[in-house]
Amino acid sequence: GAGVSQSPSNKVTEKGKDVELRCDPISGHTALYWYRQSLGQGLEFLIYFQGNSAPDKSGLPSDRFSAERTGGSVSTLTIQRTQQEDSAVYLCASSLLGQAMGELFFGEGSRLTVL
Amino acid sequence: DQQVKQNSPSLSVQEGRISILNCDYTNSMFDYFLWYKKYPAEGPTFLISISSIKDKNEDGRFTVFLNKSAKHLSLHIVPSQPGDSAVYFCAANRDDKIIFGKGTRLHILP
Repeated sequence: GAGVSQSPSNKVTEKGKDVELRCDPISGHTALYWYRQSLGQGLEFLIYFQGNSAPDKSGLPSDRFSAERTGGSVSTLTIQRTQQEDSAVYLCASSLLGQAMGELFFGEGSRLTVL
Repeated sequence: DQQVKQNSPSLSVQEGRISILNCDYTNSMFDYFLWYKKYPAEGPTFLISISSIKDKNEDGRFTVFLNKSAKHLSLHIVPSQPGDSAVYFCAANRDDKIIFGKGTRLHILP
């Protein structure tokens, strides 16, 4: 498809398990962002990629969170030893910087529920 | 430390009237500001933006005003329509890091 694609759309897991969330950005977009939206909260910045490198990881909540991007395209957000407070919608967005001056194109999100 | 603040969690406006959504920021180095709209179970979609060198940008029913001295921006929607009912996020950009506010839920009343 032409838009940002995220999978899975819904994930229910048990506390302590690891989860991987995947993001396929729009083809040709160099920048990729991960945000999370907890219930009743705004969009919390997690990490940003320019190409395959992550200049800013300051938003990752703890060392249980990691992300990578390969080939300047697909990105994976991994949460190890999940906790109940990790339950949220994880949103991925991509951007073609320089043309859209920061306009982000979002996927529909991956809803994570940790029991 | 919240760099982008939307102090009104919700706002109700009569259909046909003007909706005004407000946003304050703390970092004077932000150089670009954006508004996004979000419906339930969907990702946010871009609405309108403004560069820090301007004080107004208009697109159809939507106008964004920027007051740099007050570190304040606002989104005006006129006339408000039922389809405008959504959560509106203010965002600010510096060095490609885009920071969002917590959002304001807009209800358009019939």
